[in-house]
Order: sequence, then C-alpha cells, then structure tokens
Amino acid sequence: EVLLVESGGGSVQPGGSLRLSCAASGFTVSSTYMSWVRQAPGKGLEWVSLIYSGGVAYYADSVKGRFTISRHNSENTLYLQLNGLRPEDTAVYYCASHYDSSAYYSLAYWGQGTLVTVSS
Amino acid sequence: SSELTQDPAVSVALGQTVRITCQGDSLRSHYANWHQQKPGQAPIVVIYAEKNRPSGIPDRFSGSSSGNTASLTIAGAQAEDEADYYCNSRDNSGNHWVFGGGTKLTVL
Repeated sequence: EVLLVESGGGSVQPGGSLRLSCAASGFTVSSTYMSWVRQAPGKGLEWVSLIYSGGVAYYADSVKGRFTISRHNSENTLYLQLNGLRPEDTAVYYCASHYDSSAYYSLAYWGQGTLVTVSS
Repeated sequence: SSELTQDPAVSVALGQTVRITCQGDSLRSHYANWHQQKPGQAPIVVIYAEKNRPSGIPDRFSGSSSGNTASLTIAGAQAEDEADYYCNSRDNSGNHWVFGGGTKLTVL
C-alpha cells in the first residue's frame, strides 16, 4: 500500500524558512517522479515542483529561486525547502507520487498535506 | 506554461449523468487526469491518463478527450460524488504541470 505522510508545516514570519518532509512507504521515491502541490485557503490546487527519477527538478514560476525540492533515497523521503516565504505562500502543501511511464507519469497518490502559514 | 479552464460549478440530479469539462491547448499533446476533493480532505485521483480508473474508483466515473477538451463523466451520480473536481496535465513544455481552477459538483 502506498502511503505519503507530510510534516514540517507551521507558522513563520515573512522572509522566513521551513523544510517540509514527505515520508513514503509502499514504493521507492527515487524510482518515480514526485511532486509538491499546494492549496491556498479556499482556493484551487497549484502545482509547485517536480523531481524526476533521474534527479532533475522543475518549479512553478511563483516559487522558482526560493523553493528547492530534494529527496533522501535511503530514508525514502521527499523534501521541499521553502526560503524567502511570503504571505501568498500560505497554503496546505501536498506531496504526490506519479505513475510510471506506462501511465504517462500521471499523478497517482496524494499525501494528507501540511499547513504552512506565513504571517507577521 | 499553459492554462486549463473549468466551469466553476455544475449541478446534477441524483442518479443522473453529468459531464465536467477541462479545456487547454496542452491537452492536444498531453493526457488529462482528474482529481476529486471533498471538504477538509486531500485530493484523490479518479481518472488518470485520460481514461484509466485507479482501483477502488467506481465504474460510474469515466474520462474522455477530444481536441483541446478533456471530460470527466459521472454516470448515475450519487450523493457521495458531491465534491470539487480538478483536471491536471502537463503544460506545453512537458516539464511543468498545471491544474484547472476546479469544478464544484452539487448533487441535487
């Protein structure tokens, strides 16, 4: 059974930093694509970042240069480092795994999310 | 990047069929996926790669696509299908992913 459990959210002042974690079980994070997706309060889903199995990463324009996606293969954990946080980054952050190439790397499973609040 | 456009709200009578659509240029090149989100819960995938259902998703859910429009059809909508539905796909670059704005489905 695939399970994704996020942690690391919290309240932080503008300009601050947080590191989000996503512990995976039931599969290996380094073997497939992994994404972070966020949802501001009362708003829709917004893709944030993706890391390919080969390690190449991509970011939404809204977070590029401030956020960094990474993974720890031996711990089977995905991370998202959030720097230079702004009030508009306030959201629930979800990690999500992707299917493999047979399913065109579509999104497959979601975690339960972790809330990040940026406020002074 | 590219955008995916959804109707903000759709309603359906209990037991009837409803279609939720998603439009975007990138859908001409990339498959759509559909996600269901109920209040206070994380999303779940109901359709992936245009027309495939994950295990555990009822067969009343189906997906299709034509040109720049992807569709999610619920045949015989149930009360528990009331939720927000989001389409998503890759953008035209293929390296970024995008979501539609979501459709709130009300089952009357």
